[in-house]
Amino acid sequence: QVHLVQSGAEVKEPGASVRVSCKASGYIFTDCYVHWVRQAPGQGLEWMGWINPNSGATNYARKFQGRVTMTRDTSISTAYMGLGRLKSDDTAIYYCARSCSRRGGIVHWGQGALVTVSS
Amino acid sequence: QSVLTQPPSASGTPGRRVTISCSGSSSNVGSNTAYWYQQLPGTAPKLLIFNNDQRPSGVPDRFSGSKSGTSASLAIRGLQSEDEADYYCATWDDSLNGVVFGGGTKLTV
Repeated sequence: QVHLVQSGAEVKEPGASVRVSCKASGYIFTDCYVHWVRQAPGQGLEWMGWINPNSGATNYARKFQGRVTMTRDTSISTAYMGLGRLKSDDTAIYYCARSCSRRGGIVHWGQGALVTVSS
Repeated sequence: QSVLTQPPSASGTPGRRVTISCSGSSSNVGSNTAYWYQQLPGTAPKLLIFNNDQRPSGVPDRFSGSKSGTSASLAIRGLQSEDEADYYCATWDDSLNGVVFGGGTKLTV
């Protein structure tokens, strides 16, 4: 059974950085892409990008380029999403998710991690 | 503004049928398969439909999906109170080179 377990809630000040982790189990970590999707309070879903855990290649949404970094550690089947220069409107639940094709097709989701940006 | 257009709300009475539309363009729905997700309050999205009309195991056959041209639809028959949730469509966009979502439809039963 596929599981994506994310790190806990974070509170950050404006201008700071945050890193969220996503530990995968139940499948071969390097076989599928890990996506990051966020949801601001009361809003819809917003795709941030994906990482190919096998090669380390990334594909970031234009909006986040220069501010987001997606990495992975294959030895512990864990993906990471770092977001810098945080602003108050980055307050959101950040989800990791899995697809087994390059062109999306998200099938499984993590439980989400709330990131609050506040002074 | 979302790339895919969904009605913000939909409603139906228990036992009846409701459909939710998802309108896109030739670079997304028109050339890639559509996915639908159900999000219950306070929970992560859950896959409902993949590849336009396929149901994962465990999803009741009351839920069905279809696609025609640049639009996709989700139909729910035999509405139940537990179907009250937000529903999102999604697909790949070849021009944006990324996943795009609809703005979500809040279903009231």
